Amino acid sequence: QVQLQESGPGLVKPSQTLSLTCTVSGGSISSGSYYWSWIRQPAGKGLEWIGRIYTSGSTNYNPSLKSRVTISVDTSKNQFSLKLSSVTAADTAVYYCAREGAAGPYYFDYWGQGTLVTVSS
Amino acid sequence: DIQMTQSPSSLSASVGDRVTITCQASQDISNYLNWYQQKPGKAPKLLIYDASNLETGVPSRFSGSGSGTDFTFTISSLQPEDIATYYCQQYDNLPPAFGGGTKVEIK
Repeated sequence: QVQLQESGPGLVKPSQTLSLTCTVSGGSISSGSYYWSWIRQPAGKGLEWIGRIYTSGSTNYNPSLKSRVTISVDTSKNQFSLKLSSVTAADTAVYYCAREGAAGPYYFDYWGQGTLVTVSS
Repeated sequence: DIQMTQSPSSLSASVGDRVTITCQASQDISNYLNWYQQKPGKAPKLLIYDASNLETGVPSRFSGSGSGTDFTFTISSLQPEDIATYYCQQYDNLPPAFGGGTKVEIK
């Protein structure tokens, strides 16, 4: 059973960089055809896809965030990470990591429990 | 980007009622449409993929239909454990986009 777990600071100051890591257990992040994604959800609001990384290291980002987002993978640690720069209060949200099949059909089948990140001074 | 519009944004129904949620895409997405259930404080859970395929282990009272721009999600007989917010999600084009959600409550 694949499990994902987000980790990282729960409080980030405005203009700084938000950094989160997702640790995958129950399977190798390098095996199979999967994308590894970040999705966020402001309190009481809907879901916003941030971006994804393939096991090869290729990435896709949401154009609305592309200039501030970097997603990377560390296969030796079975982890992938999110960096979001120049954060503002609008980036306050629960951040989820999720797995998406890369060979179709494309859906998010495994999710982390989510981690709340608050942007505040 | 493709926009997904869900309606209603919330609904209240009685146990045993048939519940229907609609999702409209801003352009043709074929059947590249998924449905998720999210309970308070939890991550979303996949229920339906490719518009009408039930994910393994999901009760058969959940169903989906549609193609092109108009999609429907149905709970045939609402149960107390179905209290949640439901989201549609398209994957025809990047970025994957979610609908605004439908909060389902018990009357």
